[in-house]
Amino acid sequence: DVKVTQSSRYLVKRTGEKVFLECVQDMDHENMFWYRQDPGLGLRLIYFSYDVKMKEKGDIPEGYSVSREKKERFSLILESASTNQTSMYLCASSLTGGYSPLHFGNGTRLTVT
Amino acid sequence: AQKVTQAQTEISVVEKEDVTLDCVYETRDTTYYLFWYKQPPSGELVFLIRRNSFDEQNEISGRYSWNFQKSTSSFNFTITASQVVDSAVYFCALSEEARAQKLAFGQGTRLTINP
Repeated sequence: DVKVTQSSRYLVKRTGEKVFLECVQDMDHENMFWYRQDPGLGLRLIYFSYDVKMKEKGDIPEGYSVSREKKERFSLILESASTNQTSMYLCASSLTGGYSPLHFGNGTRLTVT
Repeated sequence: AQKVTQAQTEISVVEKEDVTLDCVYETRDTTYYLFWYKQPPSGELVFLIRRNSFDEQNEISGRYSWNFQKSTSSFNFTITASQVVDSAVYFCALSEEARAQKLAFGQGTRLTINP
C-alpha cells in the first residue's frame, strides 16, 4: 500500500511566522502535490512537482513556495503566514504518465492566529 | 478552463436507502478523465474510480455504481443499500489532457447515513 505521511495533523502558528509542512511518500512516485481544502471550495491545487527539484504552480500559489530535494519528500512553505491561510492542507503523490490516481495523506489542519 | 460542480452540499439518508451523488463537469478537451474520491472522517481521500472520456459504459462495483453521460456532461455516483460506513465527503474530479497531472475538484458532497 502507498503511504503518504504528513508530519503534523494539527498546527497552530502566529501571523508572520514561517511555516513548513512536510510530506513523505514511500512508493517511489514521481509526482507530488499540495492541495488546500476549504469548505464549499473543494480541493485547490497549490503546487505540483513532477521530479526532484522540479515544480509547477497550481491554481493558488500566492503566498506559498515548495521544496523537493529528494524524491520522497515534498515540503510546502508559507513564507509569512497569514490568517487567510488557515485551512486543511493535503499532500498527495502519484505515478507519472498522466491520469494516475492520487494517493493522499490524511492532512494537516493549520490554524494561523 | 475545467470546472466541476457538485451541487449537493450535504445529503442525509437513512441506512439501506439508495443515494445518488451528482457531478457535472465542463471542459473543451475531447480527452479527459473523471474521478471520484471518498474522504472519510479520518481525512485521507481514497480513490474510488477513474473513467476516461471515450468510455461511457456504466460501472458497478458492489454497492457502488457510476453513470457517465457525455451528452449531459455528468458523472453521477450511486450507492445502493447505503450503510453507515458510507458516511463521508465525496469529491468528483476532472483531469484534462492539457493539464493531465492537475485535477480540478468539485466542492464535495457530505453524505451522512443515519442508522
